[in-house]
Amino acid sequence: GDSVTQTEGLVTLTEGLPVMLNCTYQSTYSPFLFWYVQHLNEAPKLLLKSFTDNKRPEHQGFHATLHKSSSSFHLQKSSAQLSDSALYYCALSDRGQGGSAKLIFGEGTKLTVSS
Amino acid sequence: DPKIIQKPKYLVAVTGSEKILICEQYLGHNAMYWYRQSAKKPLEFMFSYSYQKLMDNQTASSRFQPQSSKKNHLDLQITALKPDDSATYFCASSQGQGNSGNTLYFGEGSRLIVV
Repeated sequence: GDSVTQTEGLVTLTEGLPVMLNCTYQSTYSPFLFWYVQHLNEAPKLLLKSFTDNKRPEHQGFHATLHKSSSSFHLQKSSAQLSDSALYYCALSDRGQGGSAKLIFGEGTKLTVSS
Repeated sequence: DPKIIQKPKYLVAVTGSEKILICEQYLGHNAMYWYRQSAKKPLEFMFSYSYQKLMDNQTASSRFQPQSSKKNHLDLQITALKPDDSATYFCASSQGQGNSGNTLYFGEGSRLIVV
């Protein structure tokens, strides 16, 4: 079945350094890919979503490029901020059953940014 | 104001008891979901509903029963509670269905502790 792999469970960075969180996926078709961010004791919120026309989505300084050849959707930011500390989930849209779709989430990467 | 309301936010239950988690969404969405987040399995899909009909069920146990009395309601009844059921349960919704890359919007969660 479809799956998402996030290889880093924990990433610790110093403020100002670049961020790269890895995400690879397996799917029998071409799904949409998402990044969700979850701050402590809050709900997961959409950060980025892949486009169908190969455009690179960007939000709050984060961007991600969908590479179908390598089945990857890595999250990047040029300079980490303290407020970026959170749990980041990569997810793909699954066809689901009966025409509905659900998101399948990776294990998540906890990003901690220190000063 | 939160558009997806979950009640209660926190609850402690005794092993063997029954609880109902409430979810209402005011986004006008047609599809609703339940996800579970615990230390063992972050953001695990449980159920999806579309137009009040069950579309997908990835929960092995029949102790978990979703209930949809209205289009914008999807409650979760849990019977014969076990300590392993301790988790945060997130309700989510999306516009439409199918593999169209619909974004999921999450409620703030109901944190359940079973003692």
